[in-house]
Amino acid sequence: VLTQSPGTLSLSPGQVATLFCRASQSFQRSYLAWYQQRGGQPPRLILQGESTRAAGVPDRFSGGGSGTDFILTIGGVEPEDAAVYYCQQFGGGTWTFGQGTKVEVK
Amino acid sequence: QVHLQQSGPGLVKPSETLSLTCNVSGASINSYYWSWIRQSPERGLEWIGHFHSSVSISYNPSLLSRGTISRDFSRNQFSLKIVSVTAADTAVYYCARAYYDAAGFGFDLWGPGTRVTVSS
Repeated sequence: VLTQSPGTLSLSPGQVATLFCRASQSFQRSYLAWYQQRGGQPPRLILQGESTRAAGVPDRFSGGGSGTDFILTIGGVEPEDAAVYYCQQFGGGTWTFGQGTKVEVK
Repeated sequence: QVHLQQSGPGLVKPSETLSLTCNVSGASINSYYWSWIRQSPERGLEWIGHFHSSVSISYNPSLLSRGTISRDFSRNQFSLKIVSVTAADTAVYYCARAYYDAAGFGFDLWGPGTRVTVSS
């Protein structure tokens, strides 16, 4: 089980967003990915292998953490970053997603 | 350029079978993992199952053995069937590729999604 927090993050442009994802069991950290989903669109891969940015993803997106805790940081949010962000794991027999964190940029 | 095209009905009656197909162009389904994923307000994003050319097909136990993924390597497409559907199977269904390299894993390619409603 992946548990994300907070449920919603409301920020002003330029602020730093910190999103958390906690796993109920440990797994290889390279099996963790982060996605961005805007309304009506399929999810878009942001980070693969915990911290490697997918093609075209700005360098303000970064990943880290330790143990069973994973962190997605958006270093200076922009209006286009408003979306729901999901963590997802490939460890074990059943691949699972977190419930999502909604990022609002006002 | 890689393109995942989904096809299948958007309305299925309760107790009947949901059938969807994902046609892939620009990439081979012989490489990496290919999955079905669904999304609903009640269950969020839910991995349904996947296949890899060199390993057996895996399914989410939550489907209670109702799901079947089949693949046609000659046509570079794969399909999903879920039998005995109920309202709980109402969701947007996506096909997607799980890419992996030395850096790790990620679903890097997604179909546009098919909204499936189970209703009489």
